[in-house]
Amino acid sequence: QKEVEQNSGPLSVPEGAIASLNCTYSDRGSQSFFWYRQYSGKSPELIMFIYSNGDKEDGRFTAQLNKASQYVSLLIRDSQPSDSATYLCAVNAAGGFKTIFGAGTRLFVKA
Amino acid sequence: KAGVTQTPRYLIKTRGQQVTLSCSPISGHRSVSWYQQTPGQGLQFLFEYFSETQRNKGNFPGRFSGRQFSNSRSEMNVSTLELGDSALYLCASSPSGDAGELFFGEGSRLTVL
Repeated sequence: QKEVEQNSGPLSVPEGAIASLNCTYSDRGSQSFFWYRQYSGKSPELIMFIYSNGDKEDGRFTAQLNKASQYVSLLIRDSQPSDSATYLCAVNAAGGFKTIFGAGTRLFVKA
Repeated sequence: KAGVTQTPRYLIKTRGQQVTLSCSPISGHRSVSWYQQTPGQGLQFLFEYFSETQRNKGNFPGRFSGRQFSNSRSEMNVSTLELGDSALYLCASSPSGDAGELFFGEGSRLTVL
């Protein structure tokens, strides 16, 4: 079992729709969870982090965490073509000092 | 504030050679992590340094090594290069003590022929 699992996609949504990206993790002791966006040919960029169960909103982005289910998600509202990228879920390992990444989900937003 | 700087950006080596990559973190960030990114394996954790100490290491052979200097700059070295070492090597610095929030450099793209 991979430590952080994501559906590789591609996920295709029309412009203006909500994109929903999901991630599960195996280390129940993990405390910090992150979403990174990576455009083709660029390095990953941190867009959201969440530490507590529930929802965290930042502009068009909402991160959701359910530690009991070991599940993290990212919702992108009013999706724009510029949101087309690979989204990487990342988990800071229990004990820290190591962040593990999922394989990423490719998102395409069609104009 | 300047971002994470990695040098060189591109390099080509032949099998059996060694390579050293350099990373200058964001000012004030003391944690530096290194990752290898390939199309097939995604982002794989290599190691993390804080205050010149390696605090964690990924599942890579001993040919991969690193160090951190007192000014938080870091280097990684790969000896006896193999074709499979061709990848994008990313350095990330973190303002948090647990190396959680990561700010990545543009990477060093290594091609091994």
